[in-house]
Amino acid sequence: DTGVSQDPRHKITKRGQNVTFRCDPISEHNRLYWYRQTLGQGPEFLTYFQNEAQLEKSRLLSDRFSAERPKGSFSTLEIQRTEQGDSAMYLCASSLDWGIYGYTFGSGTRLTVV
Amino acid sequence: QQQVKQSPQSLIVQKGGISIINCAYENTAFDYFPWYQQFPGKGPALLIAIRPDVSEKKEGRFTISFNKSAKQFSLHIMDSQPGDSATYFCAASMRTGGSEKLVFGKGTKLTVNP
Repeated sequence: DTGVSQDPRHKITKRGQNVTFRCDPISEHNRLYWYRQTLGQGPEFLTYFQNEAQLEKSRLLSDRFSAERPKGSFSTLEIQRTEQGDSAMYLCASSLDWGIYGYTFGSGTRLTVV
Repeated sequence: QQQVKQSPQSLIVQKGGISIINCAYENTAFDYFPWYQQFPGKGPALLIAIRPDVSEKKEGRFTISFNKSAKQFSLHIMDSQPGDSATYFCAASMRTGGSEKLVFGKGTKLTVNP
């Protein structure tokens, strides 16, 4: 297990379509985070899981967004009825403890909505 | 109050020079301050981090200076190398209830000329 894996790396979709991204965290990490990064900006927090429980959702996560982490392993982030403003890099990160050792980020999924 | 302000937006230094990036925050609830390095097409990678009860932390060529009273912290890269050319993000960690998240600055694009 060499790190956090995200799939796909790139996704181009038409406006109005649904998309789903997958994140596989480091296996022993019980905390999982989703962030969104737009061009020229720092990552912005979207949501946080501890094991399978979703403990916090940002106000950035509108009703069109849903995230799951079944059985506390991999996580999925779904965006329904995509809009051009959803175009961004979606980053997943995992950690073992309260971020003391730092989060390990994946390489992200770049979403382009046309 | 949850913002982390980072400057400069971009920085050009000569090989062997010192790169300095500054960040400021308002919320005294932040309790962990990491710096991340990001190369194009990659997720952010933890570089170095500090807790507010420490005024300075050094790891190799990278040093964080932390001024709790001024609510400011900075990253110093000594003997900067072309391989250090990347975007650097400061961040601050906040724990609320059962959750934790990172608040990122907007980033500094560092270019080290050979």
